[in-house]
Amino acid sequence: DAGITQSPRHKVTETGTPVTLRCHQTENHRYMYWYRQDPGHGLRLIHYSYGVKDTDKGEVSDGYSVSRSKTEDFLLTLESATSSQTSVYFCAISESVLQTGELFFGEGSRLTVL
Amino acid sequence: AQKVTQAQTEISVVEKEDVTLDCVYETRDTTYYLFWYKQPPSGELVFLIRRNSFDEQNEISGRYSWNFQKSTSSFNFTITASQVVDSAVYFCALIGGAQKLVFGQGTRLTINP
Repeated sequence: DAGITQSPRHKVTETGTPVTLRCHQTENHRYMYWYRQDPGHGLRLIHYSYGVKDTDKGEVSDGYSVSRSKTEDFLLTLESATSSQTSVYFCAISESVLQTGELFFGEGSRLTVL
Repeated sequence: AQKVTQAQTEISVVEKEDVTLDCVYETRDTTYYLFWYKQPPSGELVFLIRRNSFDEQNEISGRYSWNFQKSTSSFNFTITASQVVDSAVYFCALIGGAQKLVFGQGTRLTINP
């Protein structure tokens, strides 16, 4: 199994509080992704990173920011959580899907915003 | 823009029936990969198959088979002789030159005993 861990795995917070989710990899892969999963929408890309300090927005990036200061960690931050951000968040990593065809997912982080 | 459509939101069949999950995609890239993932009730994403855009050969793995047709931009997934353990949400996904993996909405498959 690919070395990818998400933390925390479960979190309950209140509206307006900041939240940070962490994705940590031990594979030294270049690409890292954050997705959210909601019923009826499948998985939607929030942000992704193609290298240290290199990030780009996905289709649902409003209300989220990311940082990647080192290869192994990709942080997703909700500056002021809202109930609409209640979701399951998945991190994924890849060296280069087009070259290797490989993409590895973490186990997911369930966030509830009350 | 890239897009994946899984028109079947939910499918319910009786055990041992064959079932096909449809996936239609849109992309302007000439090089891309298509994926199928399974998400059982436990919630993790389980990789099933990947297919690159230059390989249109159909693939069979046990009771699972995949039909990739570039002419119709489809990558359908068939389960033969379905079993209760096949019950899950199945996602089709596409990644192209931008290295952004795009998912379909998912199909919830229920296999009834």
